[in-house]
Amino acid sequence: SQTIHQWPATLVQPVGSPLSLECTVEGTSNPNLYWYRQAAGRGLQLLFYSVGIGQISSEVPQNLSASRPQDRQFILSSKKLLLSDSGFYLCAFGRVSYEQYFGPGTRLTVT
Amino acid sequence: QKEVEQNSGPLSVPEGAIASLNCTYSDRVSQSFFWYRQYSGKSPELIMSIYSNGDKEDGRFTAQLNKASQYVSLLIRDSQPSDSATYLCAVNIYTGNQFYFGTGTSLTVIP
Repeated sequence: SQTIHQWPATLVQPVGSPLSLECTVEGTSNPNLYWYRQAAGRGLQLLFYSVGIGQISSEVPQNLSASRPQDRQFILSSKKLLLSDSGFYLCAFGRVSYEQYFGPGTRLTVT
Repeated sequence: QKEVEQNSGPLSVPEGAIASLNCTYSDRVSQSFFWYRQYSGKSPELIMSIYSNGDKEDGRFTAQLNKASQYVSLLIRDSQPSDSATYLCAVNIYTGNQFYFGTGTSLTVIP
């Protein structure tokens, strides 16, 4: 069966500090991978998606970046966090035109 | 211009009643349609997918798709308090790898 992991589950970071969130998928190969952010009381905002190793598409220009060093690993990073980066970060995997499945998420608070 | 629109609610129904959730989308080439349930503080969970016009039933859930009118709906029969959550509508457009999510409808089932 397919499983998606994210860590850490919660994170409190000061403004200006770096960020690294990791997502891994099991039980599937060559999935599309996605990073979303959900601010409090808001909808899902697509940040990045990847159709293969090293292939990253950015949807929102900001101080975040993403990388896909392995087929089933997706990393979200920032060199300097802003207060506005606070939110619920969700990794998802799926196939074109088919369902996306979400990981448990990372709740990030920037102080 | 919003791709996917949902009534944010809140929608309240008594236990045992039918809850009706609606979603409209703007892009006529939309191909795949999904309903997710999100409990407070948790990640979205896929509950229904529908790809062709008509109704699709799964247990107490029925998804209805009308591509000519560009809407998709979710009916929850015999609503239970455990159905209280935010329901997200998602649309996949044929030409892309992305999902477009609505902002969600908050449902409360009153015991």
